[in-house]
Amino acid sequence: AQRVTQPEKLLSVFKGAPVELKCNYSYSGSPELFWYVQYSRQRLQLLLRHISRESIKGFTADLNKGETSFHLKKPFAQEEDSAMYYCALIGNNNDMRFGAGTRLTVKP
Amino acid sequence: EAQVTQNPRYLITVTGKKLTVTCSQNMNHEYMSWYRQDPGLGLRQIYYSMNVEVTDKGDVPEGYKVSRKEKRNFPLILESPSPNQTSLYFCASSKGQGFIQYFGAGTRLSVL
Repeated sequence: AQRVTQPEKLLSVFKGAPVELKCNYSYSGSPELFWYVQYSRQRLQLLLRHISRESIKGFTADLNKGETSFHLKKPFAQEEDSAMYYCALIGNNNDMRFGAGTRLTVKP
Repeated sequence: EAQVTQNPRYLITVTGKKLTVTCSQNMNHEYMSWYRQDPGLGLRQIYYSMNVEVTDKGDVPEGYKVSRKEKRNFPLILESPSPNQTSLYFCASSKGQGFIQYFGAGTRLSVL
């Protein structure tokens, strides 16, 4: 069964500190993984996907097949990074599964 | 402007009164999907559609119906709403499987 686990519901860091949002998955095959972000009062939007291997707003995420993880990282968090972050996986049946989400708060 | 539009944004209704939440996209996307967002549970997929007249169940389809008669529209129908369907609903669309999904602004539904 495909599953996405985000172990931290809440994460709080100070501005300028490194941040890592954890995402683990279970999937039998080659996963398609994404991070979506939802800022306050805004709709969900794609932050990044593992295929593109790009850095968006200073965030990166590396797919680790050995550990079945796709953690989201940023070396220096900013207050505007405060948001709800969702890790997501495209499953065998073309459906997208989301984790429960992590609410990141960056304190000044 | 490319977008996914949901209506209404807010809805309060009573148990058993049929309702429809509309979703429309102007990007000629083939894939459309409905999710519900609940605290602690994240986003769960209700139904999705790979193309016109092609729909399939997601993780939590019970109590919901959908239709895809036209490419741009994907309404979510609650024939007999119940309080456990009180939630925040999102519609999304994409070119197809594995492509970026674009989300609507959400519909907050309360069933009394």
